[in-house]
Amino acid sequence: EPEVTQTPSHQVTQMGQEVILRCVPISNHLYFYWYRQILGQKVEFLVSFYNNEISEKSEIFDDQFSVERPDGSNFTLKIRSTKLEDSAMYFCASSVSVRLNTEAFFGQGTRLTVV
Amino acid sequence: TQLLEQSPQFLSIQEGENLTVYCNSSSVFSSLQWYRQEPGEGPVLLVTVVTGGEVKKLKRLTFQFGDARKDSSLHITAAQPGDTGLYLCAGATGTASKLTFGTGTRLQVTL
Repeated sequence: EPEVTQTPSHQVTQMGQEVILRCVPISNHLYFYWYRQILGQKVEFLVSFYNNEISEKSEIFDDQFSVERPDGSNFTLKIRSTKLEDSAMYFCASSVSVRLNTEAFFGQGTRLTVV
Repeated sequence: TQLLEQSPQFLSIQEGENLTVYCNSSSVFSSLQWYRQEPGEGPVLLVTVVTGGEVKKLKRLTFQFGDARKDSSLHITAAQPGDTGLYLCAGATGTASKLTFGTGTRLQVTL
């Protein structure tokens, strides 16, 4: 069964360092998303991406964040200068379309720990 | 800001009991999805409801979307230990390109 895969599963980084979280969406999907879940809190939308550009982003997704689809298969989230409060599970998701009954498939997540 | 509040936050019941989880908002959503999340994994979609008043059944799980499309419920009949997990509701407005997740209900079913 096709699935969204994310690497690494766990990343520890020092405050101020840049991190890149990687995702391989399901191959025929056209819409890609990043969500995050701070420990003990709800899942929060970060950004959606379609046709090589951001289609929507939340207030969390500030200038420190960027997304890219560098090679037609990977979808990456870069945090330029990590802060302690960026520590969270980051989930990548993809979907075929954005029609209301469309399922978004989530990856298993990357746990980012900023120390 | 759209908020989805789930209740209860935690629920511990014995096998065979019935339970209902609620998802409430003051905002109207175009669709409402229910997910289940296991520890260390991403959310997995259980069902999507789109029409106000819609009821969908998935084996022992019954999902209902409120008439005004501001709330939803998940009812589990004869709960089993395999139902243990974190249940999340998520709403979409317009398209499904951005989901607003609820606060979650952690369910534990014991023998």
